[in-house]
Amino acid sequence: GAGVSQTPSNKVTEKGKYVELRCDPISGHTALYWYRQSLGQGPEFLIYFQGTGAADDSGLPNDRFFAVRPEGSVSTLKIQRTERGDSAVYLCASSPRTSGELFFGEGSRLTVL
Amino acid sequence: AQSVSQHNHHVILSEAASLELGCNYSYGGTVNLFWYVQYPGQHLQLLLKYFSGDPLVKGIKGFEAEFIKSKFSFNLRKPSVQWSDTAEYFCAVKDAGNNRKLIWGLGTSLAVNP
Repeated sequence: GAGVSQTPSNKVTEKGKYVELRCDPISGHTALYWYRQSLGQGPEFLIYFQGTGAADDSGLPNDRFFAVRPEGSVSTLKIQRTERGDSAVYLCASSPRTSGELFFGEGSRLTVL
Repeated sequence: AQSVSQHNHHVILSEAASLELGCNYSYGGTVNLFWYVQYPGQHLQLLLKYFSGDPLVKGIKGFEAEFIKSKFSFNLRKPSVQWSDTAEYFCAVKDAGNNRKLIWGLGTSLAVNP
């Protein structure tokens, strides 16, 4: 597609469950970012990929959060043993290597009950 | 550490009023600067960006921003707002030397009354 695609758009889960969120970036974009956004806040950086490798994962809040990008395109954000505080909109963005401009997806709204 | 400060958290204007949203950043090196907009129920979209050159940058929908290096500022302006400009506006800064993470402000919620 033309833009960044994220699935699911909405996910409701119970505390303690495992969740996967998927991001399909714009074709040819080598950089991929995960952010999360809570109501009334700016995006909070989680992790950044350049190609297949995580170039900066300093924003992952704890070891329950993990992200992969095995073939340098689609990325999956994985959250284990979800907690109510994980509820947020998880944003994915991609960027051409030399641009720095981020193109965002619609986000995946995660609600942990 | 880098940080971005947006001074106005909530702004309410009438249509045709002029808009200026403040953004200041703290970083000593060369920066790239961005304003993003998030319309209700939609994803973040780029309004405009500054990398180098003319410090007065024009973006989409009549928005512009001026980079004042001495003041570490990148304020967003629009001479006459419309009801459709109602949205959340985010200022963001990046170290120009690498393609790593943007540092975001907390955002300004703009409501334009018809």
